Amino acid sequence: DIQMTQSPSSLSASVGDRVTITCRTSQSITIYLNWYQQKPGKAPKLLIYAASSLQSGVPSRFSGSGSGTDFTLTISSLQPEDFATYYCQQSYSTPQTFGQGTKVEIK
Amino acid sequence: QVQLVQSGAEVKKPGASVKVSCKASGYTFTGQFMHWVRQAPGQGLEWVGWINPNSGHTNYAQRFQGRVTMSRDTSISTAYMELTNLRPDDTALYYCARGVGATGGNLDFWGQGTLVTVSS
Repeated sequence: DIQMTQSPSSLSASVGDRVTITCRTSQSITIYLNWYQQKPGKAPKLLIYAASSLQSGVPSRFSGSGSGTDFTLTISSLQPEDFATYYCQQSYSTPQTFGQGTKVEIK
Repeated sequence: QVQLVQSGAEVKKPGASVKVSCKASGYTFTGQFMHWVRQAPGQGLEWVGWINPNSGHTNYAQRFQGRVTMSRDTSISTAYMELTNLRPDDTALYYCARGVGATGGNLDFWGQGTLVTVSS
């Protein structure tokens, strides 16, 4: 199975901050990396697919980069509605695996 | 618009089975994979498996092999996930999610989740 290492596990940030979350995989997955946002009591929401493609309807302050084994999710200017937990997921091979999540909290 | 509507919460005893349904609307049901993902209370996301609604072919995570069965009824655009021999650590919110993209693994629409509680 492909192991996912997501960091940090949590972070505190202020509105307007630039936030970066990283995801590392145990083997190359080319660009088959997705990012999800989950708010309490809600289902996850797809933000970024194929490492850097913005899902329809997602604000442009969200961006993704990387290939191979190292990936990054960036929020360019954190907004109040962005406080949530973020997960990476590889769709390169089964079993599809998720990172352990990054909780973004208000500083 | 795409919608996935899941069946209601279940409470089961250890050793029992549960079958969760996921009714799809707003798109061609047989055109996209359907994945199942679970989330234990306060924990992260865990992939359970997928079904190709067109062919009925399935792919399960190894840890669920022998206990999980995914099926579908194309006449009513509904996917099912059955988990047998339930244990207390199977207590979780179970989601269905549509899979799209090159590998069918981009989960772009999710159901509301079905809470399965396993307790004696």
